Amino acid sequence: GENVEQHPSTLSVQEGDSAVIKCTYSDSASNYFPWYKQELGKRPQLIIDIRSNVGEKKDQRIAVTLNKTAKHFSLHITETQPEDSAVYFCAASLYSGTYKYIFGTGTRLKVLA
Amino acid sequence: DVKVTQSSRYLVKRTGEKVFLECVQDMDHENMFWYRQDPGLGLRLIYFSYDVKMKEKGDIPEGYSVSREKKERFSLILESASTNQTSMYLCASSLGSSSYNEQFFGPGTRLTVL
Repeated sequence: GENVEQHPSTLSVQEGDSAVIKCTYSDSASNYFPWYKQELGKRPQLIIDIRSNVGEKKDQRIAVTLNKTAKHFSLHITETQPEDSAVYFCAASLYSGTYKYIFGTGTRLKVLA
Repeated sequence: DVKVTQSSRYLVKRTGEKVFLECVQDMDHENMFWYRQDPGLGLRLIYFSYDVKMKEKGDIPEGYSVSREKKERFSLILESASTNQTSMYLCASSLGSSSYNEQFFGPGTRLTVL
């Protein structure tokens, strides 16, 4: 069935370093890949997304890359700050009456001051 | 601002009880979703709906049912709660039938079944 694998499950980095989270999806029909950030005790919120006709998208310190051939997409956070500490989820969209998301299992990012 | 609200932040129920979780959105979104969130398992889709009275099974529908009588409201029902349904339940909504429409999440309901 449809599947999104996400790695690593936990990631610790020093403040100022970069963090990379990787996802792989299974269904080649997926054409939209959002990333959500969930801070402790809060709801998931969209931080960046990428469409399948784009290879890379950047928004200040965060960027997402997509390799359609390999069915890989990645989140890159540069110059990490303590407020980047959160759980990050990748997702891939699929159509079934409407568009639904298949989420990855999440990455807990800790930025050490 | 899109607002998705859920009826309870915390809920404690006993095994065998019928449980209702309510979700309301105020942005006239066509699509509504119910997920459960468990550590290490991410967000798993239980049921979703793309129109009033329409419902579709997600990846883990067993033990759950849903109701959507009005566009703004989507209810998740546990017919006979069991301890393995102890979890965080998140509702989400999105606009229309485009692939690119953001899903907006509610604050979640942490359900404990004793």
